[in-house]
Amino acid sequence: QSALTQPASVSGSPGQSITISCTGTSSDVGAYDYVSWYQQHPGKAPKLMIYDVSNRPSGVSNRFSGSKSGNTASLTISGLQAEDEADYYCSSYTSSSTYVFGTGTKVTVL
Amino acid sequence: QLQLQESGPGLVKPSETLSLTCTVSGGSISNSRYYWGWIRQPPGKGLEWIGSIYYSGSTYYSASLKSRVTISVDTSKNQFSLKLSSVTAADTAVYQCASLYCSAGSCYLDYWGQGTLVTVSS
Repeated sequence: QSALTQPASVSGSPGQSITISCTGTSSDVGAYDYVSWYQQHPGKAPKLMIYDVSNRPSGVSNRFSGSKSGNTASLTISGLQAEDEADYYCSSYTSSSTYVFGTGTKVTVL
Repeated sequence: QLQLQESGPGLVKPSETLSLTCTVSGGSISNSRYYWGWIRQPPGKGLEWIGSIYYSGSTYYSASLKSRVTISVDTSKNQFSLKLSSVTAADTAVYQCASLYCSAGSCYLDYWGQGTLVTVSS
């Protein structure tokens, strides 16, 4: 099971919107609406930001939104803030009844 | 709120078996809504899914590690464990346990341990 493909880095200025893509295959992202997104600050455990493609857990800002088209899922952060600077990972359920993470994207707030 | 804590040796010799235990507190490991997972992250690299287990003992392993991984559960101790055999330097990573909340077919990782660095070196 290969890792899902994410851009290595994405940057934006405060207040802007950015989108992170997560490309898989018809055996994972394309097959199930079970894509999650996790935020990880340096030295910290990952935090769930989005589950089931587009659902936000309670307590997560509505500036974070998710979507999916075919084999590619996306995470959009609107109104970018300094605190959003972190690594972001997507994850998907797979046809092997396990999970796979994305390669990770470093978000930089300029 | 669940709390998870990894424990085990921080240094393992090449070709030996890495063994870690995750102790769950704040809830029962037998909760039917939860699976229990292991994830690792090599220094400076991304997350890698290792596998997961249900309280009944059903296991689900990553294809890339399946031949070397064993995950087990001890409901009496509210713990689950990871064994990774024949380790090499490539297995050096921060190993984290996490709870996988599942409902109506959907699952996501909601609570994580702090992680423990395991170095493979002679």
